[in-house]
Amino acid sequence: GENVEQHPSTLSVQEGDSAVIKCTYSDSASNYFPWYKQELGKGPQLIIDIRSNVGEKKDQRIAVTLNKTAKHFSLHITETQPEDSAVYFCAARAQAGGFKTIFGAGTRLFVKA
Amino acid sequence: GAGVSQSPSNKVTEKGKDVELRCDPISGHTALYWYRQSLGQGLEFLIYFQGNSAPDKSGLPSDRFSAERTGGSVSTLTIQRTQQEDSAVYLCASSLTSAVSGSPLHFGNGTRLTVT
Repeated sequence: GENVEQHPSTLSVQEGDSAVIKCTYSDSASNYFPWYKQELGKGPQLIIDIRSNVGEKKDQRIAVTLNKTAKHFSLHITETQPEDSAVYFCAARAQAGGFKTIFGAGTRLFVKA
Repeated sequence: GAGVSQSPSNKVTEKGKDVELRCDPISGHTALYWYRQSLGQGLEFLIYFQGNSAPDKSGLPSDRFSAERTGGSVSTLTIQRTQQEDSAVYLCASSLTSAVSGSPLHFGNGTRLTVT
């Protein structure tokens, strides 16, 4: 089955700097890669997603890149703000896996003011 | 509109007791998922339902765990003879469909289960 690895587990940046979180997946049949943000005491919320027929997608300060050959995908947050502090999860979904979504272990992002 | 609703938000139970956790998905969402999140950890897949198909139970950690989804809507996750290691946040999510790539999951805020 699918396995998703996520790095780093913790990331601390200065306000205004960029943050990058990287994930790898194992199942080459995976074709949908969402990213979720989880704030304390709440469920994860989708912030951006990318499909396997696209290499890059951007939404304001957030961008995601996908390298299907290497089975890597990354989240880039530019001009970080204190409210970006949260836990971020990458995920992958494959038709062969019955479409269930498998999550990485999460990255705790701290943005220091 | 209403999101995914989970109840109770917190549950404290004694070791050995049974518990039931409830999830009301977003109306019209045919796919429903249960995940478990231990303190400071990632999301562990437990089970998912897609329409009238047989559920994928491959993530259930033991036969003490079971889940039902009645009428294609509300779901109940049952844990029998609870153990301390069952303490975690149980998250429910729904999506428009699993059968089409690109349907994001919408999560509830979870039920925090504490087994004493």
